Amino acid sequence: AQSVTQPDIHITVSEGASLELRCNYSYGATPYLFWYVQSPGQGLQLLLKYFSGDTLVQGIKGFEAEFKRSQSSFNLRKPSVHWSDAAEYFCAVGPMNRDDKIIFGKGTRLHILP
Amino acid sequence: DGGITQSPKYLFRKEGQNVTLSCEQNLNHDAMYWYRQDPGQGLRLIYYSQIVNDFQKGDIAEGYSVSREKKESFPLTVTSAQKNPTAFYLCASSWSRNNEQFFGPGTRLTVL
Repeated sequence: AQSVTQPDIHITVSEGASLELRCNYSYGATPYLFWYVQSPGQGLQLLLKYFSGDTLVQGIKGFEAEFKRSQSSFNLRKPSVHWSDAAEYFCAVGPMNRDDKIIFGKGTRLHILP
Repeated sequence: DGGITQSPKYLFRKEGQNVTLSCEQNLNHDAMYWYRQDPGQGLRLIYYSQIVNDFQKGDIAEGYSVSREKKESFPLTVTSAQKNPTAFYLCASSWSRNNEQFFGPGTRLTVL
């Protein structure tokens, strides 16, 4: 069965530092992959998505993610975080066939130190 | 502007009462979804619908019901059978099941 793992529940980085949020998936084929961001009390906003092609995907707000088939990973990165990036981040695996559902990871809460 | 609206933002109900959460989208999306979010649990799928007048149970459908009479609307009823209904509820829509989902702002339900 498909699954998504976000190993880090909380991550704290200093403002201006680089960021990498980890996402590992389990799926029988190359899935559709997504990263979403959620501010407290709000809905989720799509940061970026991977369907096929170039394995390095650029998203909004200066984020990027790299699909690595050999590691079953889709890690999210940002070169320099801003205080406004403090939020919860969700990785998701999209359905490839009729019987699958999109699966969300449990999220990583990002804290920014001034 | 196109988007998804959920109302109300906050909802309080007494235990034993049914309550209906509204979700409307003007994105012309075929698929719509309801999720429940609890701290540390991520998003759990309650129901989804791929087409008008059809819907399927998700992972935690017990105690909930939905309808899809119009493409734009997918209301969720939290019934008295739901043992622990206090949560944050998110509605989403997408062009189809393997496209990215667009989310509404959520409804926080508190049952007293």
